[in-house]
Order: sequence, then structure tokens, then C-alpha cells
Amino acid sequence: NAGVTQTPKFRILKIGQSMTLQCTQDMNHNYMYWYRQDPGMGLKLIYYSVGAGITDKGEVPNGYNVSRSTTEDFPLRLELAAPSQTSVYFCASSAQGNEQFFGPGTRLTVL
Amino acid sequence: GIQVEQSPPDLILQEGANSTLRCNFSDSVNNLQWFHQNPWGQLINLFYIPSGTKQNGRLSATTVATERYSLLYISSSQTTDSGVYFCAVVDRGSTLGRLYFGRGTQLTVWP
Repeated sequence: NAGVTQTPKFRILKIGQSMTLQCTQDMNHNYMYWYRQDPGMGLKLIYYSVGAGITDKGEVPNGYNVSRSTTEDFPLRLELAAPSQTSVYFCASSAQGNEQFFGPGTRLTVL
Repeated sequence: GIQVEQSPPDLILQEGANSTLRCNFSDSVNNLQWFHQNPWGQLINLFYIPSGTKQNGRLSATTVATERYSLLYISSSQTTDSGVYFCAVVDRGSTLGRLYFGRGTQLTVWP
């Protein structure tokens, strides 16, 4: 099992550009999450999903969108990148909200 | 949301020393996880421990849910133990498994 995989590993965007962060898990987990980690801080929840077709906002959803068309994939979309979105983004998954497993992260810089 | 406080914020040890990291939380929890974030930024699952005691090699953890704290013990520290240790909890009222993170303990182990 590869677990949770994320692409890309690194990305630099210009203000106003858009991009999609990809997340895939092969553990057949229903629950998936997107978190962001700012320097010196713990992680904060952006969006979550409890199954295909079901998504909802977390603590810091502004500027982001998600979709969940399959159990395996949970992409995160940034429509108009802003410097405040410079962060490290982690995707995670769990079975029924139990122990969460994290991907390796995507380091995003917006200039 | 539930508040998670970790102490100490920083810890510097010589190789071979033992240490105890503490996590206090403000409300009842369903789940509690300890993570190690290595210098490359990866989040590594250490323990899934909503209550009781677990051991894995040189590491062990104890959660006393009724008193709202958890302890992570590291014995015979090695340089590879360096990094940030995070505690994260799911509040008892949640069915979504959303994790609330502390700000972490930065551990540096010198040879």
C-alpha cells in the first residue's frame, strides 16, 4: 500500500493564479481531510469529506474548494492564489473518523 | 473548538537522555494521536491512544482521559528523534474525526 500520496511536492504560484493539489489514498478510507500548516504552528482543517459526493468546510475554508467524486481522490482547488495561502498542505484519511494517516505534504509559495 | 496545549515548547537533549512531553486538552476526547514531524516535514504516526498506555520500542505514551492529559516518553534519545512532536485530539462530540492540533514540542538531540 502506498497510503496517502500527494502531488506536487513543491509549487510556486503568482498572485491570482489557480492550481489543484492532488490527494489519493489506497486504503479504502471513507473519511478524507485537507489541513494547512503555517510556520511554527499545528495543522488547521480546511475541508473534509465523509464519502464520495459529500464534502464540508473546516476551520479555514476561505479561498479553497474541494470535490470528492471517488473514494480514493480528494483534490483541493485554489482559485485565486494569495500570499496568505503560502503554507504546507497535508491531506489525510481515516476509516470512520478513527486514526488518521497523512500524506507527505505539498509546500506552496505564493509570490 | 477544543484547546490543546503542549509543553515544553522546546527541548534540547544530549544523545542517550530521557524525556517526557506533555499534552493537555480542554474537553473530553474520542481520540488522541501523537505525531513526529521529521526535519523533512513528514508527519509520522507514533501512537493512536485515546486512553491507557502503549509502548513502541523506546517510545511510550499514556493518556489519562478523565484528567485530560497525555504524556509521551522518549527513552535513550537518538539524533534521529529530532523534530517536532505534535499531539492532536478529536473532541468527544465529533463523529467526523476532525483533529485539533497543539503547537508542538521542538526536540533537538545532540550527539
